[in-house]
Amino acid sequence: SQQGEEDPQALSIQEGENATMNCSYKTSINNLQWYRQNSGRGLVHLILIRSNEREKHSGRLRVTLDTSKKSSSLLITASRAADTASYFCATDARLHQAGTALIFGKGTTLSVSS
Amino acid sequence: GAVVSQHPSRVICKSGTSVKIECRSLDFQATTMFWYRQFPKQSLMLMATSNEGSKATYEQGVEKDKFLINHASLTLSTLTVTSAHPEDSSFYICSARSGLPAADTQYFGPGTRLTVL
Repeated sequence: SQQGEEDPQALSIQEGENATMNCSYKTSINNLQWYRQNSGRGLVHLILIRSNEREKHSGRLRVTLDTSKKSSSLLITASRAADTASYFCATDARLHQAGTALIFGKGTTLSVSS
Repeated sequence: GAVVSQHPSRVICKSGTSVKIECRSLDFQATTMFWYRQFPKQSLMLMATSNEGSKATYEQGVEKDKFLINHASLTLSTLTVTSAHPEDSSFYICSARSGLPAADTQYFGPGTRLTVL
């Protein structure tokens, strides 16, 4: 099962520009997380924002969360070629009797050219 | 941060054979482990959740007789793809979470790339 959608699906920008990715989800959440994945590699955890938070910063990353709209955005400022990767949002969804698990959105593929 | 390892990192097998993938939490006890599958250019799809000592809970559409999950200890879970076919070729990623109160972080392994010929 997938929790929601990211948009855009693909984003191409020049180095130095800002990149904004959006994520929507369906159920109520305790927190929302953003991950990065380089092609063919594992996940790198970027940032976690809790349901009672509206905005969070980490270096060049800024995440917002709007629980009324069930949406989040990830902003990468002053992008670099090394930021080229796929970015996924993930929310903790309550599953049947198994407790909660992270459910991932479809992801945004970011390409930063120098 | 906590470390989760997977072995092997990549495996190539013939159609019809079974493949076992190991997932270990190296520096914490994982009461819950998760297995995800990721096809090329797609997102991670949760396959199953397993709690130590219990049977795994599979997501809809995942065949439990084909994807055998064992979580016999607090640091090890295994996924066995039985009678693998080319359509099972994928990137398999495990994740682990400790049972500590308020421990809501899932730690991810580096993934195993399975290619079935």
